[in-house]
Formats: sequence, C-alpha cells, structure tokens
Amino acid sequence: AQTVTQSQPEMSVQEAETVTLSCTYDTSESNYYLFWYKQPPSRQMILVIRQEAYKQQNATENRFSVNFQKAAKSFSLKISDSQLGDTAMYFCAFMKWSRDDKIIFGKGTRLHILP
Amino acid sequence: EAGVAQSPRYKIIEKRQSVAFWCNPISGHATLYWYQQILGQGPKLLIQFQNNGVVDDSQLPKDRFSAERLKGVDSTLKIQPAKLEDSAVYLCASSLGTGTDTQYFGPGTRLTVL
Repeated sequence: AQTVTQSQPEMSVQEAETVTLSCTYDTSESNYYLFWYKQPPSRQMILVIRQEAYKQQNATENRFSVNFQKAAKSFSLKISDSQLGDTAMYFCAFMKWSRDDKIIFGKGTRLHILP
Repeated sequence: EAGVAQSPRYKIIEKRQSVAFWCNPISGHATLYWYQQILGQGPKLLIQFQNNGVVDDSQLPKDRFSAERLKGVDSTLKIQPAKLEDSAVYLCASSLGTGTDTQYFGPGTRLTVL
C-alpha cells in the first residue's frame, strides 16, 4: 500500500522569505503522479503543482517549485517570495499511474506566513 | 465558470440521527468524488463516480454510508445512523474525466456529531 508522510505538522516564516515543505512517500510502483494541494482557512482545496514520476525535470508554477528525488522517494515543495495569501494547510499526495486510482493524501503541513 | 457547490456548509446532529449532504459538480465533469477529512488528517476518498456509475467505494462504510449520483450530475451522501467518529469535513470534488485529471474541490460540509 502507498503511504505519504509529511514530517512537519506546522511551520511559520516571514513574508517574502522562501520556505520548503517536506514530503516522503512509499510505493513499489514505477509510474505515478505526485501533487501538492493547498487548503486555505476557507477550506476549498486547490491543486498547486503536480509531477509525473517519469519526468526528470522538476515541475514549477510561478513561485512554487518542487524537488523530486525519485530514488529517495522525496517530493518537497518550495515557495519563493512567500505571501500572506500562502497561509494554508498544504497536502502532499500520491496517485498510481492508473485510469481510476485514488489519490492518497498526507496529513498536511500548516504553514503560517507572518507579516 | 461556477465551482463545485456543496450544502449545507455546517451540520450538527445527535448520534444515531441521519444526515445528508448534497454536491453539484462543475458542469460537464464526468467524475465526482466524496472525501472524508477528519481533523488533523488529509482527505480520504469515500466513493468515486464516473457519470452515474460507481468506480471505487472500497473505503465507504456501507453499513451506514450511502451515496448516489442521479443522472450523472448532482450527488448526495447519506449517513444513517451517525456515530461520534463521523465528525469530519465532507468534501466533494469533480474532474473532467479520469482520476488523472485535475480534481476541483468544493468548500466542504463540516459535520459535528454529538
């Protein structure tokens, strides 16, 4: 069974700083997807970034980028120039390369951006 | 484009009572998901529909939970009877096609069972 572990329950950083959220996962699959989801205090979850395991290049979306280390089964999220609106729960998630498989979420990291 | 709609936003019930949640996905989205998010944990998939057929309900406690998606659009999730451990946020999400498509989440329904 696949598992996703986020070892940082909570983090705080000053506005404009760079912050890295950690995620490790366990799987015997060779093809899969990895995601970072953001859940702001209003609770509507949105996709931040996704990575296909077969791609060696790390995904980036504006200020958000990932460090994908397939051999180490590590998938960290870096937020550059952090903004107050980045305050949220961040979930790392895994999904097998399968037409109808489910997403497995980690327990989340609560990120506070301080003014 | 309207997002995923859910109602009610909050519900408080006594244990052993029944409760129902409603979800309206984004127009044209074939796949609909119900998740349970217990405080301090990530969402857990309860059931996945493709149009009006069930794709995965392996984690749905079928002795008390039921869900339907009539005509492949709206969906309802019911709990009967509720237990204390059912207190959670119930999230609905939809995607255009298969599980690899981006899932769009609704605001959720926070259920408190007393």
